[in-house]
Amino acid sequence: SAVISQKPSRDICQRGTSLTIQCQVDSQVTMMFWYRQQPGQSLTLIATANQGSEATYESGFVIDKFPISRPNLTFSTLTVSNMSPEDSSIYLCSVEPGTGPRTDTQYFGPGTRLTVL
Amino acid sequence: AQKITQTQPGMFVQEKEAVTLDCTYDTSDPSYGLFWYKQPSSGEMIFLIYQGSYDQQNATEGRYSLNFQKARKSANLVISASQLGDSAMYFCAMAGSARQLTFGSGTQLTVLP
Repeated sequence: SAVISQKPSRDICQRGTSLTIQCQVDSQVTMMFWYRQQPGQSLTLIATANQGSEATYESGFVIDKFPISRPNLTFSTLTVSNMSPEDSSIYLCSVEPGTGPRTDTQYFGPGTRLTVL
Repeated sequence: AQKITQTQPGMFVQEKEAVTLDCTYDTSDPSYGLFWYKQPSSGEMIFLIYQGSYDQQNATEGRYSLNFQKARKSANLVISASQLGDSAMYFCAMAGSARQLTFGSGTQLTVLP
């Protein structure tokens, strides 16, 4: 499986500010995803990060609030904009390296634990 | 639309015993995959095991096995010889034709010494 890193691993931010989370993979992958996990909840897909084009957002998530970049096949960023305490969550990126038991097996990064005060 | 249901918010098991975590699913896709992930308190999501809808045999990965009953739409995870390090949240997930993972609500497993 691919080795995935995320920066920062955790952060505490003030209301109204923005935070950019980085996801780096050690090999080229076609598919990269961003998930949010609110406290005590399951994972919810925010968007699919498409290389060279705009991200595809899920219902309830908009580009102005969660802009995503995907400049190449190994790197993506997610920005959480104009943060409020409700944005306090774990943010995880995942990739489909195409080498798992099924080609769309997703492997996850270690996550970014965000607290908004 | 896809739906994953995990009806056990919490489970306890004695160390070295086996435990079954339940997962039922619903989908209209003829072809799909079922996954189990483990999430320790550190927050990372660790892929454990996969079962394809057309696989004839139940998947096994070390101490993990998947009890797949297609007619019942269930994909239960069996952990044999539980260890203290198995204490974590376990999520069942499904991927259909849309290649997106839909997750269940999770089961918090606690292994008792």
